[in-house]
Amino acid sequence: ILNVEQSPQSLHVQEGDSTNFTCSFPSSNFYALHWYRWETAKSPEALFVMTLNGDEKKKGRISATLNTKEGYSYLYIKGSQPEDSATYLCAFSNGNKLVFGAGTILRVKS
Amino acid sequence: DTAVSQTPKYLVTQMGNDKSIKCEQNLGHDTMYWYKQDSKKFLKIMFSYNNKELIINETVPNRFSPKSPDKAHLNLHINSLELGDSAVYFCASSQVEANTEAFFGQGTRLTVV
Repeated sequence: ILNVEQSPQSLHVQEGDSTNFTCSFPSSNFYALHWYRWETAKSPEALFVMTLNGDEKKKGRISATLNTKEGYSYLYIKGSQPEDSATYLCAFSNGNKLVFGAGTILRVKS
Repeated sequence: DTAVSQTPKYLVTQMGNDKSIKCEQNLGHDTMYWYKQDSKKFLKIMFSYNNKELIINETVPNRFSPKSPDKAHLNLHINSLELGDSAVYFCASSQVEANTEAFFGQGTRLTVV
């Protein structure tokens, strides 16, 4: 059974705060780790696909790191804005299937 | 052209009915998925399917069954609908071995009355 866990389940921050959340995944049979952003009433959209231990990816104020040996990835948002409010999903691939975590719901208050 | 399309977008039906939600992808992906967005807005996997293997989440009632007429389609069939089946269902596809991102359909909001 592939277990992908995300924490926290939900997070409320003030505009301008920086924040981060965690994705834990199996450290064996690693193929790739994905991050998605899912806005209300829309479909999830990919942020990053990471494949190498030590990978760091960045898109604007959002960045992610990857540790495949210990089985975790962090997603960072610098200077949160109300438009960052969404559910952030990570997904683990073992080369055979893609399993999503339950997500972290982020709410940014202005 | 929509990469992953689901129909219908909204479905209202009575308890006890049997219904299907269709999903098609035109990306040539090898794997398709069905997810249920639960009452807390979390995304829970129901099935993943490629031409080799169907993986079923053991918590999914056997009233739910995926049907794949070909590689580009994975339809979700639900028998004897119950009130608790009301949710938003998402279809997705990916090319797992290529490490590309997954693409999602726009979701189907199912309401059982």
